[in-house]
Amino acid sequence: GQNIDQPTEMTATEGAIVQINCTYQTSGFNGLFWYQQHAGEAPTFLSYNVLDGLEEKGRFSSFLSRSKGYSYLLLKELQMKDSASYLCAPRGVRFGAGTRLTVKP
Amino acid sequence: DSGVTQTPKHLITATGQRVTLRCSPRSGDLSVYWYQQSLDQGLQFLIQYYNGEERAKGNILERFSAQQFPDLHSELNLSSLELGDSALYFCASSAPASGGPSGANVLTFGAGSRLTVL
Repeated sequence: GQNIDQPTEMTATEGAIVQINCTYQTSGFNGLFWYQQHAGEAPTFLSYNVLDGLEEKGRFSSFLSRSKGYSYLLLKELQMKDSASYLCAPRGVRFGAGTRLTVKP
Repeated sequence: DSGVTQTPKHLITATGQRVTLRCSPRSGDLSVYWYQQSLDQGLQFLIQYYNGEERAKGNILERFSAQQFPDLHSELNLSSLELGDSALYFCASSAPASGGPSGANVLTFGAGSRLTVL
């Protein structure tokens, strides 16, 4: 089985930093994936963590702690186009309900 | 264009009817996944195929079935449709995640098929 927990909604200001948390319980862990989904569109891959620690990719970073069953996605220098849902997927097939991020001017 | 092709893009039908959704994976990808996303809901995993064989099953109803053909395209069949089946249906195909262990796959999604049941 798999349990995935993310906040339902978050709001942040343009130019700010936001951290989206994901806690999970899963068996057979082989990595944690983050995807971005704009309303009415397909999800797109953002990041993958298989080892503990921080992976940085431009304005987006993702952190993983396997022992704590915890990950976060860090978005810096927020832009209006970052308004979207962010989906956490331990093992990469089943997704959490997603966090809807709204970026305000 | 993600390389994953889904048809039709939109479909409107009536309760009790049957529809077939089609997906062609990216060239070289052997796995196909199907997801259902109802309005303002999360992505619900339905089923996965790998090279023609069922690999994993999620929350797929008995009224739904899928298969993957030798040319690797896949079809999702939805029968005895109900109003609650109205949703976006996504197909994805996968490639191994860079640096990851076996089975860690990055999904590439198609644009989806929007089904409306009236």
